[in-house]
Amino acid sequence: TQLLEQSPQFLSIQEGENLTVYCNSSSVFSSLQWYRQEPGEGPVLLVTVVTGGEVKKLKRLTFQFGDARKDSSLHITAAQPGDTGLYLCAGGGGSQGNLIFGKGTKLSVKP
Amino acid sequence: DSGVTQTPKHLITATGQRVTLRCSPRSGDLSVYWYQQSLDQGLQFLIHYYNGEERAKGNILERFSAQQFPDLHSELNLSSLELGDSALYFCASSPLWVGAYSGNTIYFGEGSWLTVV
Repeated sequence: TQLLEQSPQFLSIQEGENLTVYCNSSSVFSSLQWYRQEPGEGPVLLVTVVTGGEVKKLKRLTFQFGDARKDSSLHITAAQPGDTGLYLCAGGGGSQGNLIFGKGTKLSVKP
Repeated sequence: DSGVTQTPKHLITATGQRVTLRCSPRSGDLSVYWYQQSLDQGLQFLIHYYNGEERAKGNILERFSAQQFPDLHSELNLSSLELGDSALYFCASSPLWVGAYSGNTIYFGEGSWLTVV
């Protein structure tokens, strides 16, 4: 069974601070996605990484896929209150062709 | 707006009842996925349909069933409802299936919030 572990589970920081969220697995994934979800809404895709060692930047967000394609990280620089939400990583490419989700990191950025 | 449409957005029903959740995928997408999200379990994969055929089953209870119609919309039927079935049910869609090609991913609707009382 493929599992994705996210850490930390909860994170509360002040505006302007930097943070990193981790997503780890013992399984290899052909791709890994990061989503952000706000209360009562569906997850919204932020980025997809497919190549081991790949780094993608989205404004203040930096995503990295591990060389072995078993782990990923999301780094946010100078966090803002608008970054508040649940960040989910999801691995894809298993034999079943669906996404397996981690339980998420709940981020709260205080002004 | 992801392009995935789910109805109803909110539903309150009694234990023992049956409900149907409906999903219209993004235009051109052949795959539909159903996920259940509860506070303690996170996003749990239920079932995946591709072009009308069931492709994969996850943690879906026997009391639940789904189908995908020729026009590619999908319905998730939940019967003999229990209090523990209260959750957000998400539909997602993709052109093919995750892993079919590099970077293929899925897009989520806004969910149907089911409350069983």
